[in-house]
Amino acid sequence: QSALTQPASVSGSPGQSITISCTGTSSDVGGYNYVSWYQQHPGKAPKLMIYEVSNRPSGVPDRFSGSKSGNTASLTISGLQAEDEADYYCSSYTSSIVFGGGTKLTVL
Amino acid sequence: QITLKESGPTLVKPTQTLTLTCTFSGFSLSTSGVGVGWIRQPPGKALEWLALIYWDDDKRYSPSLKSRLTITKDTSKNQVVLTMTNMDPVDTATYYCARLESGTDYYYGMDVWGQGTTVTVSS
Repeated sequence: QSALTQPASVSGSPGQSITISCTGTSSDVGGYNYVSWYQQHPGKAPKLMIYEVSNRPSGVPDRFSGSKSGNTASLTISGLQAEDEADYYCSSYTSSIVFGGGTKLTVL
Repeated sequence: QITLKESGPTLVKPTQTLTLTCTFSGFSLSTSGVGVGWIRQPPGKALEWLALIYWDDDKRYSPSLKSRLTITKDTSKNQVVLTMTNMDPVDTATYYCARLESGTDYYYGMDVWGQGTTVTVSS
């Protein structure tokens, strides 16, 4: 079971929108709508931001949205804010769990 | 309020067995659909899923580490224990436990995480 593929880094200016991709296979991302996204600030535990591809837990701003097309899932953050600067990880759940390699978001 | 907290040794020697305990509150591991998972993160690296256990004692393991891992639960104590055998310096990481919920047609993700515990493997 290989890790999901994410870009190492993305960046954007405050107020802009960015998208982070997460590519897997038909056996994980493409086969099930069980993609989650996690935000992790330095030295902190990860925080669930999106589950089941596009659902937001209570308390997560609607600036965060998720989608999926084929074997690639995406996390979009609109109206970037300085506090969004963090590492982001995608994850797929099937009979087991696999994470992506993580993407560092820099807010310029 | 749901909380989880990891505990265990901060330093282990190579070849030793690591035992980590996740003590939680605010939910029951006897509730249908609920599970607890373990995830680790080496310094500066990505998250890696290790194992999870469900309310019905269904256990899942990372294929790459399956031979070294054992996960158990003590519902009465609200604890989940992970053991990892034959520790190596590459196992140096922060180890997290997290709560999750899933069923036949849903998966709500790992919605609450512990603060993590750092384990260093060195002689």
